[in-house]
Amino acid sequence: AQKITQTQPGMFVQEKEAVTLDCTYDTSDQSYGLFWYKQPSSGEMIFLIYQGSYDEQNATEGRYSLNFQKARKSANLVISASQLGDSAMYFCAMREGTGNQFYFGTGTSLTVIP
Amino acid sequence: SAVISQKPSRDICQRGTSLTIQCQVDSQVTMMFWYRQQPGQSLTLIATANQGSEATYESGFVIDKFPISRPNLTFSTLTVSNLSPEDSSIYLCSVEVGQGNNEQFFGPGTRLTVL
Repeated sequence: AQKITQTQPGMFVQEKEAVTLDCTYDTSDQSYGLFWYKQPSSGEMIFLIYQGSYDEQNATEGRYSLNFQKARKSANLVISASQLGDSAMYFCAMREGTGNQFYFGTGTSLTVIP
Repeated sequence: SAVISQKPSRDICQRGTSLTIQCQVDSQVTMMFWYRQQPGQSLTLIATANQGSEATYESGFVIDKFPISRPNLTFSTLTVSNLSPEDSSIYLCSVEVGQGNNEQFFGPGTRLTVL
């Protein structure tokens, strides 16, 4: 089974609107971390936000928030007040326990429309 | 956080040659990771490079094809050997900062095209 599933290959959002990028995960570990990264066309991977499995509050970082629903094993990224510079690929990732490997989803391409 | 640089940022290589990619971090880190991102794909971990020991390779990746060096706590190299067009990818190094489930920071990537 896929560790990380991102079901939206492409998304469009109007500038200044909010958008939700979906991510579901699969693990039997009790301790894990969930991450979102942004990859612009330049190729670099930019860390956006982190949610620990034991964190009770949803993570927020500026315009980014993570809608963490543990029972559903989902960790959706919400971007508020979209900007043209938000157009990029977005990857959800998970790290299990104290393991080294990050499991990445297939990504969602977000396009912000002026 | 960590500032990571990679050299070269991009290269075009001929089939059968090799390319060595350098990764430099501005602080000492225990673990460094090398990823491959094939065109239009997600990231796949190649190997974990620990200072003072052999790199640990993931399934499907072997040392003969992807030799790795880790001479100190701030530097690593990945060599992609005997290049073929299928090796055309972005190669990214990343480092772990902090303990436990803290984030990995990524370098800017090396975009390799094999003719």
